[in-house]
Amino acid sequence: GENVEQHPSTLSVQEGDSAVIKCTYSDSASNYFPWYKQELGKRPQLIIDIRSNVGEKKDQRIAVTLNKTAKHFSLHITETQPEDSAVYFCAASGNSGGYQKVTFGTGTKLQVIP
Amino acid sequence: NAGVTQTPKFQVLKTGQSMTLQCAQDMNHNSMYWYRQDPGMGLRLIYYSASEGTTDKGEVPNGYNVSRLNKREFSLRLESAAPSQTSVYFCASSEPGQANYGYTFGSGTRLTVV
Repeated sequence: GENVEQHPSTLSVQEGDSAVIKCTYSDSASNYFPWYKQELGKRPQLIIDIRSNVGEKKDQRIAVTLNKTAKHFSLHITETQPEDSAVYFCAASGNSGGYQKVTFGTGTKLQVIP
Repeated sequence: NAGVTQTPKFQVLKTGQSMTLQCAQDMNHNSMYWYRQDPGMGLRLIYYSASEGTTDKGEVPNGYNVSRLNKREFSLRLESAAPSQTSVYFCASSEPGQANYGYTFGSGTRLTVV
């Protein structure tokens, strides 16, 4: 089955700096890669996603890149703000017997220091 | 637009007691899921229902049962609670037929088994 590894597990950055979170996946059949943000005590929320036919996607201060050959994808947050502090999860998704199976990474706790 | 509604939000059980976690979505999604979230473990799939009338085991199904009551509702039952089932439980739904398959999560149930 799919295996998703996420690094680092914790990340501290100064406000205004950039943050990068990296994930690798094992199943070349995975074709959809969402990222979720979970604030303390809240539910995970989808913040950005990318499909396997796209190499990069941006949405304001966040961007995701995908390298299918290396099976790597990354989340980039620029000009970080205190409200970016949260746990971020990557995920890889692919069709498994007619069902879109999703495997999550173990999460990265991002702390933005004012 | 309520999205995914979970009840209860908090629950304390004694070892051996039973309970049912309720989940309902109003987005007409076909697929629904139950995850548990433990510190350092990320989100682990307990059971899922790819479509109404079907349910399948996920990564950690032992000690749980589910019922897909109709397209809107997907319940999770603990027949005989154990301390190892202390966790935060999230229900989610998605529509694989859409351009993206991102999950919408419920607000979670924090369960403590003593």
